[in-house]
Amino acid sequence: ETGVTQTPRHLVMGMTNKKSLKCEQHLGHNAMYWYKQSAKKPLELMFVYNFKEQTENNSVPSRFSPECPNSSHLFLHLHTLQPEDSALYLCASSQESASTDTQYFGPGTRLTVL
Amino acid sequence: KQEVTQIPAALSVPEGENLVLNCSFTDSAIYNLQWFRQDPGKGLTSLLLIQSSQREQTSGRLNASLDKSSGRSTLYIAASQPGDSATYLCAGPWRSEKLVFGKGTKLTVNP
Repeated sequence: ETGVTQTPRHLVMGMTNKKSLKCEQHLGHNAMYWYKQSAKKPLELMFVYNFKEQTENNSVPSRFSPECPNSSHLFLHLHTLQPEDSALYLCASSQESASTDTQYFGPGTRLTVL
Repeated sequence: KQEVTQIPAALSVPEGENLVLNCSFTDSAIYNLQWFRQDPGKGLTSLLLIQSSQREQTSGRLNASLDKSSGRSTLYIAASQPGDSATYLCAGPWRSEKLVFGKGTKLTVNP
């Protein structure tokens, strides 16, 4: 596979469930990102990892827990979510930082919280 | 606080028309300005990235300009086609890693 892949593409979960979103990039990049896209809101940055280290947490509630075991993989662990967390969750990667490098996005995971 | 605004929120044009999408931002100390395309329910595809030292970038029928002093960027699409129908997003980082996005302009090109 090439580019940035995300699994699953669709996820429905109850508020008491625990689930994880997975992102994998095949571009040799060093920075990875999680974004949330809700209806009628701008795309919001959630987390940034640079060389496996978290460098940005954009005031995200603790029910979202990211994990970056290596530069190619990024996870978002979900626990006791709320219905308002339903959104499209996008993963992206770039060579290093957004100041100079284009970000490449995955297709997203459409999350529905019941 | 940096903010990015895109007007109009939606635009419908006939095929073949040249069009301009607008993006404005509140802080002129932008690192770069990026334009993306998003098809319904899909991820984003990067179209053009203009560094802060540049004035414009071109790719095929697309031309993007950046005027930092006025806080504006435009995306010009020449000879529009139905396949150009999508939502177009602009975004800029003001710090090294954090992209701030506009809400996008939904473009419909009618055959």
